[in-house]
Amino acid sequence: EAGVAQSPRYKIIEKRQSVAFWCNPISGHATLYWYQQILGQGPKLLIQFQNNGVVDDSQLPKDRFSAERLKGVDSTLKIQPAKLEDSAVYLCASSLGGITEAFFGQGTRLTVV
Amino acid sequence: AQSVAQPEDQVNVAEGNPLTVKCTYSVSGNPYLFWYVQYPNRGLQFLLKYITGDNLVKGSYGFEAEFNKSQTSFHLKKPSALVSDSALYFCAVGRSNTGKLIFGQGTTLQVKP
Repeated sequence: EAGVAQSPRYKIIEKRQSVAFWCNPISGHATLYWYQQILGQGPKLLIQFQNNGVVDDSQLPKDRFSAERLKGVDSTLKIQPAKLEDSAVYLCASSLGGITEAFFGQGTRLTVV
Repeated sequence: AQSVAQPEDQVNVAEGNPLTVKCTYSVSGNPYLFWYVQYPNRGLQFLLKYITGDNLVKGSYGFEAEFNKSQTSFHLKKPSALVSDSALYFCAVGRSNTGKLIFGQGTTLQVKP
C-alpha cells in the first residue's frame, strides 16, 4: 500500500516569496492533516480536512497561509508571503477518520532566508 | 480543550534496561491516545494507540503503553531497551467526534550501549 506522498522534500526561498506544498494521501483516507513542525518542537496542527471540507483551521495563520483539498483527495498548502519564522518541516498526514491512527508523509523542509 | 504534556525533554537509559517515556493529557470526553516515533529526517511512524478496553496496550517493536484514567497519563514503556530505539517520541491525543489530533512536544530517547 502506498503511503502519504509529499513534494517537494526540500525548499529554500527568500522572505516575502511564496511557496506551495503538495500532498497525496493514502487512497480512501477521508481525513487529511497539515502540521508544522519547528525544530525541537512537536507537530502543530495547521488545518484538518474531512473529505474536501475544513474541520479545523484554528491555528492556521490565515493572513499568509492557505490550503485546499479539491475533490477530497490531494491537498496543497500555500504560504504567501513567507516569513523567516515559517522555516519548519511541513508534515501531511491522512487517516480513515474518527479515532483511527494517522499516517504521515516524510515532510517538506522549508528554509526561509 | 485538548492538550498533551511530555514532561521530559530527554530520557537516557542503558541498553537492556527498561524504559519509560511519560505523557499526560487533557481532553473533554473519552481520550483517544497515540504514540508515534520519529527518526532523523523521517516522518512520524505510528507505534500504538489506546481507544478503549485493556489499560495496557501493546504496539510495534516491543513497545507498550499504560493508560491511567485517574492520573490522566499514557506512559510508553519497553522492558528492555535497544540502541536502535534511540529516537524522538511523541504522544498525541485525539477526539472521536472530530478526529482532531494534538501532539506533545516530544521526548528524545537516548539508549546507550
